[in-house]
Amino acid sequence: SQQGEEDPQALSIQEGENATMNCSYKTSINNLQWYRQNSGRGLVHLILIRSNEREKHSGRLRVTLDTSKKSSSLLITASRAADTASYFCATDRRAGGTSYGKLTFGQGTILTVHP
Amino acid sequence: GAVVSQHPSWVICKSGTSVKIECRSLDFQATTMFWYRQFPKQSLMLMATSNEGSKATYEQGVEKDKFLINHASLTLSTLTVTSAHPEDSSFYICSAPQPGEQYFGPGTRLTVT
Repeated sequence: SQQGEEDPQALSIQEGENATMNCSYKTSINNLQWYRQNSGRGLVHLILIRSNEREKHSGRLRVTLDTSKKSSSLLITASRAADTASYFCATDRRAGGTSYGKLTFGQGTILTVHP
Repeated sequence: GAVVSQHPSWVICKSGTSVKIECRSLDFQATTMFWYRQFPKQSLMLMATSNEGSKATYEQGVEKDKFLINHASLTLSTLTVTSAHPEDSSFYICSAPQPGEQYFGPGTRLTVT
């Protein structure tokens, strides 16, 4: 299966700073999702953006999607030490408007926020 | 939100033995569940789709005879790693879709010695 690319692979910032992570993918998508994973733990769904949306906000999170460039970005504003985790984008292969499909994950960005 | 559990959370087994991992949807029914594998410092890779009442479908390169999947009820899917080898050591995560979202289990850490 194809895997998306994420950059940077690792990001280290100070508390209060913003963190931006990028994701690129290769195929047409139904939607793109961002997940968070704390070390050795399961995944937490952060946000879903549909292919016909360009930007979405949720609390301190802002996601953009550019289907012409097959890329997305996740911005975390005013970061906290508790935001330290790995962040993955995932694209949904299944046609339709809901997240029922098989997910293809990007390589992930390891974010470290220093207090 | 919906909850998916996995059992066990971690397991150590000897090479050549089989290990069963359970994935349960606790407060909803799931006719479909997905099994993913994650090697250390890597991303998640889809292994197979578990279908209630029918055979699982496997991704290319995943041996169906080695990774046996049984989805016997609407709330339970099991993954059995047969004749496990050290290279099967990994983090196994299941997920179950609901309208608008996928819910992931907490994962099972398998170590084969």
